[in-house]
Amino acid sequence: GQNIDQPTEMTATEGAIVQINCTYQTSGFNGLFWYQQHAGEAPTFLSYNVLDGLEEKGRFSSFLSRSKGYSYLLLKELQMKDSASYLCAVRVDYGQNFVFGPGTRLSVLP
Amino acid sequence: EAQVTQNPRYLITVTGKKLTVTCSQNMNHEYMSWYRQDPGLGLRQIYYSMNVEVTDKGDVPEGYKVSRKEKRNFPLILESPSPNQTSLYFCASSLLVGNEQYFGPGTRLTVT
Repeated sequence: GQNIDQPTEMTATEGAIVQINCTYQTSGFNGLFWYQQHAGEAPTFLSYNVLDGLEEKGRFSSFLSRSKGYSYLLLKELQMKDSASYLCAVRVDYGQNFVFGPGTRLSVLP
Repeated sequence: EAQVTQNPRYLITVTGKKLTVTCSQNMNHEYMSWYRQDPGLGLRQIYYSMNVEVTDKGDVPEGYKVSRKEKRNFPLILESPSPNQTSLYFCASSLLVGNEQYFGPGTRLTVT
């Protein structure tokens, strides 16, 4: 079976740092993706990890531990526009098969 | 402008009336997918395509059909829609296999 868990909702303050966790138990693993989805819009790609460690991209970083089935997305210097849902997705084979988590809705407060 | 387009964006229909949601991309992407998004369940993959005339089932293919006759188009067909197919549908494409996906704007389908 395929199972990906994320917290349902998180709240943080503008300018702060927030960490969104994702744990997965999937039939296969060939990479983990993070997407951002604003309300009423399409998801947009944020980051990708296939090896253990941290990937940094501006204010966003993503970490992966394959042995623990765990990833997190770190958002620094939060801005109001970061209020959105954050989706964790695992590529479960060597093709185009992806499994998404339920998403975490982040609210950034002034 | 590089994009994935879907039509229609909104559709209300009745049980059993066949419908097609079109998806087109202008980025010459090889790989395309269809997802449905439901509250609390996230995005679930319905079908994907690795190339023209090559399609595979995702996690929730029941009640759906797809075709890939041209590289740019990947329509989703509901032969006999039922109320449990009421959902938000997204088409996505990617240049490389297993790589970042570009999503269309979504189609909100209601089946009564």
